[in-house]
Amino acid sequence: GAGVSQSPRYKVAKRGQDVALRCDPISGHVSLFWYQQALGQGPEFLTYFQNEAQLDKSGLPSDRFFAERPEGSVSTLKIQRTQQEDSAVYLCASSLTPGSEYRFYEQYFGPGTRLTVT
Amino acid sequence: AQRVTQPEKLLSVFKGAPVELKCNYSYSGSPELFWYVQYSRQRLQLLLRHISRESIKGFTADLNKGETSFHLKKPFAQEEDSAMYYCALMSDNNDMRFGAGTRLTVKP
Repeated sequence: GAGVSQSPRYKVAKRGQDVALRCDPISGHVSLFWYQQALGQGPEFLTYFQNEAQLDKSGLPSDRFFAERPEGSVSTLKIQRTQQEDSAVYLCASSLTPGSEYRFYEQYFGPGTRLTVT
Repeated sequence: AQRVTQPEKLLSVFKGAPVELKCNYSYSGSPELFWYVQYSRQRLQLLLRHISRESIKGFTADLNKGETSFHLKKPFAQEEDSAMYYCALMSDNNDMRFGAGTRLTVKP
Protein backbone atom coordinates (compact mmCIF):
# COMPACT_ATOMS: atom_id res chain seq x y z
CA GLY A 1 0.00 0.00 0.00
CA ALA A 2 0.94 3.66 -0.18
CA GLY A 3 3.28 4.93 2.46
CA VAL A 4 3.72 8.40 3.90
CA SER A 5 4.37 10.94 1.19
CA GLN A 6 5.84 14.42 1.45
CA SER A 7 6.07 17.29 -0.97
CA PRO A 8 8.06 18.95 -2.23
CA ARG A 9 11.05 16.65 -1.89
CA TYR A 10 13.44 19.57 -2.24
CA LYS A 11 12.89 23.24 -1.56
CA VAL A 12 15.28 26.13 -1.93
CA ALA A 13 14.15 29.36 -0.32
CA LYS A 14 15.75 32.73 -0.02
CA ARG A 15 16.16 34.02 3.48
CA GLY A 16 12.99 35.75 4.55
CA GLN A 17 10.66 33.75 2.33
CA ASP A 18 7.77 31.70 3.69
CA VAL A 19 7.60 27.97 2.89
CA ALA A 20 4.92 25.32 3.26
CA LEU A 21 5.74 21.63 3.49
CA ARG A 22 3.07 19.00 2.99
CA CYS A 23 2.64 15.56 4.50
CA ASP A 24 0.16 12.87 3.41
CA PRO A 25 0.03 10.19 6.11
CA ILE A 26 -0.96 6.58 5.63
CA SER A 27 -4.72 6.34 5.32
CA GLY A 28 -6.32 5.59 8.66
CA HIS A 29 -3.33 6.66 10.73
CA VAL A 30 -4.53 8.94 13.44
CA SER A 31 -1.22 10.17 14.81
CA LEU A 32 1.10 12.42 12.83
CA PHE A 33 4.53 13.70 13.78
CA TRP A 34 6.90 16.30 12.35
CA TYR A 35 10.66 16.16 12.88
CA GLN A 36 13.58 18.34 11.86
CA GLN A 37 16.83 16.61 10.98
CA ALA A 38 19.92 18.74 10.65
CA LEU A 39 22.95 17.39 8.83
CA GLY A 40 24.70 14.72 10.85
CA GLN A 41 22.05 14.69 13.57
CA GLY A 42 19.14 12.50 14.50
CA PRO A 43 15.57 13.63 13.94
CA GLU A 44 14.42 16.27 16.42
CA PHE A 45 10.78 16.23 17.45
CA LEU A 46 8.80 19.29 16.40
CA THR A 47 5.12 18.59 16.92
CA TYR A 48 2.48 15.88 17.19
CA PHE A 49 -1.15 15.59 16.10
CA GLN A 50 -3.83 13.15 17.03
CA ASN A 51 -6.50 13.58 14.39
CA GLU A 52 -6.82 17.34 13.96
CA ALA A 53 -5.73 18.15 17.49
CA GLN A 54 -2.19 19.38 17.97
CA LEU A 55 -1.37 17.74 21.28
CA ASP A 56 2.26 18.74 21.57
CA LYS A 57 4.13 21.56 19.87
CA SER A 58 6.92 21.86 22.38
CA GLY A 59 9.59 21.12 19.78
CA LEU A 60 8.78 23.99 17.43
CA PRO A 61 11.91 26.16 17.60
CA SER A 62 10.21 29.53 17.26
CA ASP A 63 6.91 31.20 16.53
CA ARG A 64 7.94 31.28 12.87
CA PHE A 65 7.04 27.59 12.74
CA PHE A 66 3.41 26.61 12.47
CA ALA A 67 1.77 23.26 11.78
CA GLU A 68 -1.80 22.33 11.04
CA ARG A 69 -3.89 19.31 10.22
CA PRO A 70 -7.38 20.75 9.80
CA GLU A 71 -9.23 17.61 8.71
CA GLY A 72 -7.18 15.07 10.56
CA SER A 73 -5.37 13.72 7.51
CA VAL A 74 -3.02 15.90 5.43
CA SER A 75 -0.72 18.15 7.45
CA THR A 76 1.21 21.27 6.52
CA LEU A 77 4.28 22.63 8.25
CA LYS A 78 4.74 26.31 7.54
CA ILE A 79 7.89 28.27 8.21
CA GLN A 80 7.66 32.04 8.00
CA ARG A 81 10.57 34.36 7.26
CA THR A 82 12.98 31.47 6.78
CA GLN A 83 16.47 31.73 8.21
CA GLN A 84 19.62 29.86 7.26
CA GLU A 85 19.45 27.81 10.45
CA ASP A 86 16.14 26.40 9.22
CA SER A 87 18.02 24.45 6.55
CA ALA A 88 17.40 20.78 7.32
CA VAL A 89 15.44 17.74 6.26
CA TYR A 90 11.88 17.86 7.56
CA LEU A 91 10.45 14.43 8.22
CA CYS A 92 6.84 13.49 8.67
CA ALA A 93 5.72 10.23 10.28
CA SER A 94 2.36 8.67 10.98
CA SER A 95 1.23 5.87 13.25
CA LEU A 96 -1.89 4.06 14.35
CA THR A 97 -3.53 5.57 17.36
CA PRO A 98 -2.28 4.09 20.62
CA GLY A 99 -4.71 1.37 21.42
CA SER A 100 -2.95 -1.85 22.14
CA GLU A 101 -1.89 -2.79 25.62
CA TYR A 102 1.67 -2.70 24.40
CA ARG A 103 1.52 0.92 23.23
CA PHE A 104 2.43 -0.09 19.71
CA TYR A 105 3.91 3.13 18.49
CA GLU A 106 5.70 2.18 15.28
CA GLN A 107 6.06 5.32 13.22
CA TYR A 108 6.10 5.15 9.45
CA PHE A 109 8.29 7.84 7.96
CA GLY A 110 8.03 9.78 4.77
CA PRO A 111 11.03 10.47 2.53
CA GLY A 112 11.46 13.96 3.93
CA THR A 113 11.66 17.44 2.44
CA ARG A 114 15.15 18.88 2.18
CA LEU A 115 14.92 22.62 2.79
CA THR A 116 17.86 24.82 1.88
CA VAL A 117 17.72 28.47 2.85
CA THR A 118 20.16 30.67 0.95
CA ALA B 1 12.82 15.60 29.70
CA GLN B 2 14.06 12.48 28.04
CA ARG B 3 17.44 12.19 26.37
CA VAL B 4 19.00 9.52 24.17
CA THR B 5 22.76 9.18 23.74
CA GLN B 6 24.55 7.19 21.09
CA PRO B 7 28.22 7.64 21.91
CA GLU B 8 29.61 6.35 18.61
CA LYS B 9 28.96 8.32 15.44
CA LEU B 10 30.87 5.78 13.35
CA LEU B 11 31.39 2.06 13.79
CA SER B 12 33.23 -0.20 11.41
CA VAL B 13 33.48 -3.99 11.62
CA PHE B 14 34.40 -6.82 9.30
CA LYS B 15 31.82 -9.18 7.87
CA GLY B 16 31.15 -12.02 10.28
CA ALA B 17 32.32 -10.10 13.34
CA PRO B 18 30.00 -9.29 16.23
CA VAL B 19 28.63 -5.80 16.39
CA GLU B 20 27.19 -3.74 19.24
CA LEU B 21 25.70 -0.28 18.81
CA LYS B 22 25.41 1.51 22.11
CA CYS B 23 22.43 3.49 23.34
CA ASN B 24 21.93 5.09 26.73
CA TYR B 25 18.90 7.03 27.82
CA SER B 26 17.63 9.21 30.61
CA TYR B 27 13.94 9.38 31.42
CA SER B 28 12.07 9.54 34.68
CA GLY B 29 9.02 7.65 33.44
CA SER B 30 8.53 4.23 31.91
CA PRO B 31 10.36 4.28 28.58
CA GLU B 32 9.38 2.70 25.33
CA LEU B 33 12.56 2.14 23.33
CA PHE B 34 13.10 1.52 19.65
CA TRP B 35 15.83 1.08 17.11
CA TYR B 36 15.25 2.66 13.72
CA VAL B 37 17.45 2.09 10.66
CA GLN B 38 18.05 4.05 7.50
CA TYR B 39 19.67 2.22 4.61
CA SER B 40 21.29 4.19 1.82
CA ARG B 41 18.73 6.16 -0.19
CA GLN B 42 15.83 4.71 1.79
CA ARG B 43 13.54 6.21 4.38
CA LEU B 44 13.83 5.73 8.10
CA GLN B 45 12.16 2.51 9.23
CA LEU B 46 11.60 0.61 12.42
CA LEU B 47 14.07 -2.20 13.12
CA LEU B 48 12.84 -3.40 16.48
CA ARG B 49 11.16 -2.31 19.71
CA HIS B 50 11.96 -3.48 23.19
CA ILE B 51 8.42 -4.38 24.15
CA SER B 52 8.28 -7.09 21.50
CA ARG B 53 11.49 -8.77 22.62
CA GLU B 54 12.00 -9.85 19.02
CA SER B 55 14.99 -10.54 16.80
CA ILE B 56 14.91 -8.80 13.44
CA LYS B 57 17.52 -9.56 10.77
CA GLY B 58 19.58 -11.20 13.50
CA PHE B 59 19.59 -8.07 15.68
CA THR B 60 18.49 -8.05 19.30
CA ALA B 61 18.32 -5.33 21.94
CA ASP B 62 17.82 -5.74 25.65
CA LEU B 63 16.55 -3.01 27.88
CA ASN B 64 18.75 -2.68 30.97
CA LYS B 65 16.96 -0.33 33.34
CA GLY B 66 19.76 -0.44 35.87
CA GLU B 67 22.27 0.85 33.35
CA THR B 68 19.62 2.80 31.38
CA SER B 69 20.86 1.20 28.20
CA PHE B 70 19.32 -0.39 25.11
CA HIS B 71 22.29 -1.61 23.11
CA LEU B 72 21.73 -3.22 19.70
CA LYS B 73 23.64 -6.42 19.03
CA LYS B 74 24.23 -8.88 16.24
CA PRO B 75 26.59 -11.84 16.56
CA PHE B 76 27.68 -11.96 12.90
CA ALA B 77 27.50 -8.74 10.91
CA GLN B 78 26.65 -8.81 7.20
CA GLU B 79 27.56 -6.26 4.53
CA GLU B 80 23.87 -5.46 4.02
CA ASP B 81 23.73 -4.28 7.65
CA SER B 82 25.66 -1.15 6.68
CA ALA B 83 23.34 1.75 7.48
CA MET B 84 22.55 4.56 9.93
CA TYR B 85 21.05 3.31 13.15
CA TYR B 86 19.04 5.50 15.50
CA CYS B 87 17.98 4.67 19.02
CA ALA B 88 14.71 6.33 20.06
CA LEU B 89 12.68 6.73 23.22
CA MET B 90 8.93 7.33 23.37
CA SER B 91 7.70 9.15 26.46
CA ASP B 92 4.36 8.79 28.16
CA ASN B 93 2.92 11.66 26.11
CA ASN B 94 3.93 10.29 22.69
CA ASP B 95 6.98 12.51 22.44
CA MET B 96 9.66 10.57 20.52
CA ARG B 97 13.31 11.47 21.01
CA PHE B 98 16.05 10.15 18.78
CA GLY B 99 19.75 9.79 19.36
CA ALA B 100 22.22 11.34 16.97
CA GLY B 101 22.73 8.03 15.20
CA THR B 102 25.58 5.62 14.53
CA ARG B 103 26.77 4.89 11.03
CA LEU B 104 27.65 1.22 10.80
CA THR B 105 29.96 0.06 8.04
CA VAL B 106 30.48 -3.66 7.55
CA LYS B 107 33.58 -4.32 5.51
CA PRO B 108 33.99 -7.43 3.31
